[in-house]
Parts: sequence; structure tokens; C-alpha cells
Amino acid sequence: GQQVMQIPQYQHVQEGEDFTTYCNSSTTLSNIQWYKQRPGGHPVFLIQLVKSGEVKKQKRLTFQFGEAKKNSSLHITATQTTDVGTYFCLSGNTGKLIFGQGTTLQVKP
Amino acid sequence: ETGVTQSPTHLIKTRGQQVTLRCSSQSGHNTVSWYQQALGQGPQFIFQYYREEENGRGNFPPRFSGLQFPNYSSELNVNALELDDSALYLCASTWPTTDTQYFGPGTRLTVL
Repeated sequence: GQQVMQIPQYQHVQEGEDFTTYCNSSTTLSNIQWYKQRPGGHPVFLIQLVKSGEVKKQKRLTFQFGEAKKNSSLHITATQTTDVGTYFCLSGNTGKLIFGQGTTLQVKP
Repeated sequence: ETGVTQSPTHLIKTRGQQVTLRCSSQSGHNTVSWYQQALGQGPQFIFQYYREEENGRGNFPPRFSGLQFPNYSSELNVNALELDDSALYLCASTWPTTDTQYFGPGTRLTVL
């Protein structure tokens, strides 16, 4: 069945450094979504990518969907302490949704 | 705020017992999904309901069951609780024709 691998599992960065998390699928994805979960909180929707090669930006966050629609990345430029949390990708079709394992970001001030 | 609420916030049960968790969807959302999130893990898809019918299911045994009501609120029922069922249970509602998940705050279930 469909699997989504997300790496790295953890990343510790100094405030101001960049951060990237990657999701890779064994099968072609119809779309991919990204969520952020703060410690003790619930996942919050960030963005959805649908088109092959799509790139979307939200302030310091850049989201990419691979040309083959089998991988995606989230890049944060110049991290801030408010970026702390776990970032998840979500893929799948209606009725069968799969989260990546998540990348937990720690930012040292 | 997503407008999705869950109750109770926390719950402690013993092995073998049964539990019912509740979710109230955001107005207009006709699809609800339930997830189990163990500590330090990503949410695992349990099942999804659309217009009161089960619309898909993850790799969870039949003792995990659900209901969706005409007002689109829903329940997750777990029978014969096991220690490994201890987790955060999240529900998420969705607008028609989209996949964006609007999550509730979750119910923390502890099985002793």
C-alpha cells in the first residue's frame, strides 16, 4: 500500500538558520498537504499542493511538489523560535489519508 | 480556531472497558475523519465518514467503530480497550470537495 516517508525525524537549528523537511512517497500522489503541530497542540493546516512541480510561498515558508508528484518539501528560511513544532505531510485520497512521521524542529535562540 | 470541538478532553479507562469519544464538526463540513496519535508519532488514520456512511478505513481492528449524525457530529467507539490504545484521538472535519483537515483539540485517552 501507499507509504509516505518523512525525513529527518528531528532537527535542531540555531535561530536564523534554515530548515528543510522532505516527504517521499512510493506512489504518485494526487495532492499533498502540510500541517504544523505545536507541542501539546493539534495539527494545523498550512498548505495544499496539487500540480506537478508546484511551488508555493508563505512568508518564510516555501513548499514544493516534485515533478513526478512523489515527493514534497517544506523549507523555512531564517528560522525563528515561533517555528518550533512538528511538521507533517499528509497525502492520500478521500477515504484513505496518510500522514508522514513528522519532523520535529527545535530552534535555539 | 477551527470550530471543531471534541469531548472529553482527557479520559482514563482500564483495560477491557469501552469508550466513546465525541466530535462536533465545523458548520458546513460533511466529512469527518478520526486519527490516533501515539506520543511522538504522526496521526494514524482510523476511518472517515461522509454523509453518515463510512467512507474509508485505516488499519484498525473492528473494535474501533464510528458514527456520524445528521448534524455531522460524530462518535468514535473503542471496545475492549488495550494498553496500546492510550493515545491522543483527533477528529478532523472537511469542507465538501476538499481534503483540508480542520482538527479539533483532541481527546487524550489513557488506558491503565
